Amino acid sequence: NAGVTQTPKFQVLKTGQSMTLQCAQDMNHEYMSWYRQDPGMGLRLIHYSVGAGITDQGEVPNGYNVSRSTTEDFPLRLLSAAPSQTSVYFCASSYQTGGSYEQYFGPGTRLTVT
Amino acid sequence: AQRVTQPEKLLSVFKGAPVELKCNYSYSGSPELFWYVQYSRQRLQLLLRHISRESIKGFTADLNKGETSFHLKKPFAQEEDSAMYYCALSGRTYNTDKLIFGTGTRLQVFP
Repeated sequence: NAGVTQTPKFQVLKTGQSMTLQCAQDMNHEYMSWYRQDPGMGLRLIHYSVGAGITDQGEVPNGYNVSRSTTEDFPLRLLSAAPSQTSVYFCASSYQTGGSYEQYFGPGTRLTVT
Repeated sequence: AQRVTQPEKLLSVFKGAPVELKCNYSYSGSPELFWYVQYSRQRLQLLLRHISRESIKGFTADLNKGETSFHLKKPFAQEEDSAMYYCALSGRTYNTDKLIFGTGTRLQVFP
């Protein structure tokens, strides 16, 4: 199993550009989520999904969209990038909701918005 | 409000010294607490969870509901323990695996 994969690893955008961060998992996990990691702020939840076709907002959803058309994929879209979105983005998945299940993280995408 | 507090940004110790990384939480229900670790240039991974009551790599953590704490401890630190450590809380009240993370503590173990 590849686990949780993310592409790209690095990305530089100009203000106003749009892009999609890709996330895929091959463990048949129901739950997937996106976090951003910023110095001194830890990881903050952006959006999450409890299954295909179901998504919901996390702590910091503004400026980001998600969709979950398949169990495997959970892309994160930046519609109009802003410098405040410069961060490291992590995707995670876990087997089931409502339990003490380990979350598996991807390697991260480092995004810089100029 | 649900919150996880890690008061120390950086903890520096010498090899062989005891380590305690502090974590306090605020949660109205019955929380599940975790410690995640991120070694240099590696992805975040689960270190341990309170429900398992296990010791991983010599680390232990006990949930103290009275003090709302979940401190991570190791009696003798090793250089390979140097990493970023995150305490996290899972809000089961909402029947999801939403994790709320603390701001993290960087542990530096000097030779």
